[in-house]
Amino acid sequence: SQQGEEDPQALSIQEGENATMNCSYKTSINNLQWYRQNSGRGLVHLILIRSNEREKHSGRLRVTLDTSKKSSSLLITASRAADTASYFCATDYRDSNYQLIWGAGTKLIIKP
Amino acid sequence: NAGVTQTPKFQVLKTGQSMTLQCAQDMNHNSMYWYRQDPGMGLRLIYYSASEGTTDKGEVPNGYNVSRLNKREFSLRLESAAPSQTSVYFCASRGLALDEQYFGPGTRLTVT
Repeated sequence: SQQGEEDPQALSIQEGENATMNCSYKTSINNLQWYRQNSGRGLVHLILIRSNEREKHSGRLRVTLDTSKKSSSLLITASRAADTASYFCATDYRDSNYQLIWGAGTKLIIKP
Repeated sequence: NAGVTQTPKFQVLKTGQSMTLQCAQDMNHNSMYWYRQDPGMGLRLIYYSASEGTTDKGEVPNGYNVSRLNKREFSLRLESAAPSQTSVYFCASRGLALDEQYFGPGTRLTVT
């Protein structure tokens, strides 16, 4: 079963606002990854944060990791209409044997 | 580089028919994966192949078989399709560093 949990399930904001989505997980990880999926298409990798990192940036994306709370957040700043998509977290667990464990995703809608 | 390619893009089957979904990657990746994604949900792992010559079951393997034909190609077979297998199927690959996964565009399968 999916072990990553994301919230909110859906988020609708105005263009230009910031969007924050969260991911929680259950056991020790090697890394945690965020992916974007545009409607009906394959997933695209956005950013990876390792278990010994606390924060990482990539352009307008900021990811934080709190291993004590077993949670991560993805912040998209200055949102654009093109950011409308579903966002998934995936965890690489220490005993995962090559697998990633996926959350159910957050559907983000940016209103013009 | 084409990345990860999948064929076909769309397929409609009748209950009981069989078919094979093809996947190929040109990134010299060791690991390859087959997922299914049902509407509004995250990815569920069907089978994976950690390296050429090995395959392992994922979370939802029943009704499917796989073949890792060579390092590039990983196929998924439905021997006797059922309506419950209506879904979008994604193939992915991952390099030796076991970081991000790269996804194909997906196959949208409908079983009537």
